[in-house]
Amino acid sequence: GNSVTQMEGPVTLSEEAFLTINCTYTATGYPSLFWYVQYPGEGLQLLLKATKADDKGSNKGFEATYRKETTSFHLEKGSVQVSDSAVYFCALSNYGGATNKLIFGTGTLLAVQP
Amino acid sequence: DTGVSQDPRHKITKRGQNVTFRCDPISEHNRLYWYRQTLGQGPEFLTYFQNEAQLEKSRLLSDRFSAERPKGSFSTLEIQRTEQGDSAMYLCASSLTGQRSYNEQFFGPGTRLTVL
Repeated sequence: GNSVTQMEGPVTLSEEAFLTINCTYTATGYPSLFWYVQYPGEGLQLLLKATKADDKGSNKGFEATYRKETTSFHLEKGSVQVSDSAVYFCALSNYGGATNKLIFGTGTLLAVQP
Repeated sequence: DTGVSQDPRHKITKRGQNVTFRCDPISEHNRLYWYRQTLGQGPEFLTYFQNEAQLEKSRLLSDRFSAERPKGSFSTLEIQRTEQGDSAMYLCASSLTGQRSYNEQFFGPGTRLTVL
């Protein structure tokens, strides 16, 4: 079946540090991949997406590249800010089915210290 | 604000009681999803509507759970005879079919249910 595995947190970084949050997936067919972010007290927001192999999604300084050969979609940012502190969820949607439901990883808490 | 809204934001109930949650999607969105999120976990899919038709239900959705979307707009999720294991955040999301939107699901703030 389809599943997503992401690194456990919390990840604690100092401001301006480099961020990597690992995400790997298992899926049949050709899924689309997403990173969602949940800021404290707010709902899930789409951060970036990639719909086919070798696509790079980017937004707000964050990037992730769809790697089919390693079934990965790692999230990176070159210089984190305190305002990036949130829970980050990797997710996939397999368009082979009609539902297009999202399958999420367990989430990674990022805490950025000034 | 034209985002997805959910009501109530918090619900505390006693075991055995029935509860109902409401979700108002973004107005032109034809797809509506319910997810459940427990502490320390990612959201898990519960059910999905396209317009008023409920097209898929997860095995997580026991017979105590029922969802409706009577006119293809707002949706309700009812849990009968609540159990402590039902305590979770219930999330609603909506999306619009079509190439341009590419299934971006927009999430509401969630309803946090606590069953005592």
